[in-house]
Amino acid sequence: GENVEQHPSTLSVQEGDSAVIKCTYSDSASNYFPWYKQELGKRPQLIIDIRSNVGEKKDQRIAVTLNKTAKHFSLHITETQPEDSAVYFCAASRTDSWGKFQFGAGTQVVVTP
Amino acid sequence: EPEVTQTPSHQVTQMGQEVILRCVPISNHLYFYWYRQILGQKVEFLVSFYNNEISEKSEIFDDQFSVERPDGSNFTLKIRSTKLEDSAMYFCASSEVRESGGYTFGSGTRLTVV
Repeated sequence: GENVEQHPSTLSVQEGDSAVIKCTYSDSASNYFPWYKQELGKRPQLIIDIRSNVGEKKDQRIAVTLNKTAKHFSLHITETQPEDSAVYFCAASRTDSWGKFQFGAGTQVVVTP
Repeated sequence: EPEVTQTPSHQVTQMGQEVILRCVPISNHLYFYWYRQILGQKVEFLVSFYNNEISEKSEIFDDQFSVERPDGSNFTLKIRSTKLEDSAMYFCASSEVRESGGYTFGSGTRLTVV
């Protein structure tokens, strides 16, 4: 089955700097990759996603890149703000197993003022 | 904006007891999911459900687990005989179509087995 590795496990950045979180996946048939943000004690919230027919997607300060050949995808947060502090999870799934997301272990992002 | 709602928000139960976690998916959605998250760990897929039957389930979803859509609005997860290791946050989710993209989780039920 699918296995998703996520790095780093913790990331401390100064406000205004960029943060990058990387994930690799094992199943070459995976074709959908969402990213979730989870604040302490709250539900994971979808922040951005990308499908395998696209190499990059951007939404304001957040961008995701996908390298299908290398089977890795990354989340980029620019101009970080204290409210970006949270745990971020990547996930992967395939069309024929819809909803059966395999999540990464999460990255604790701390943005210091 | 419509939301998936879950009740109760927190449930404490004794080991060996049965629990039912309830979810009200978004009204026009047809696909339903349960996930769990053990404290401090990643989210894990349990089961997906469509057209009154299970579409996919994970290795975690053994015979102790069952799901049901008892009426037109609720989607439930039952654990027949709870174990200590069932303690986790359980999230429900729903989607309108099969490949609609990432979906929003419900607010979750924290299950504590003592």
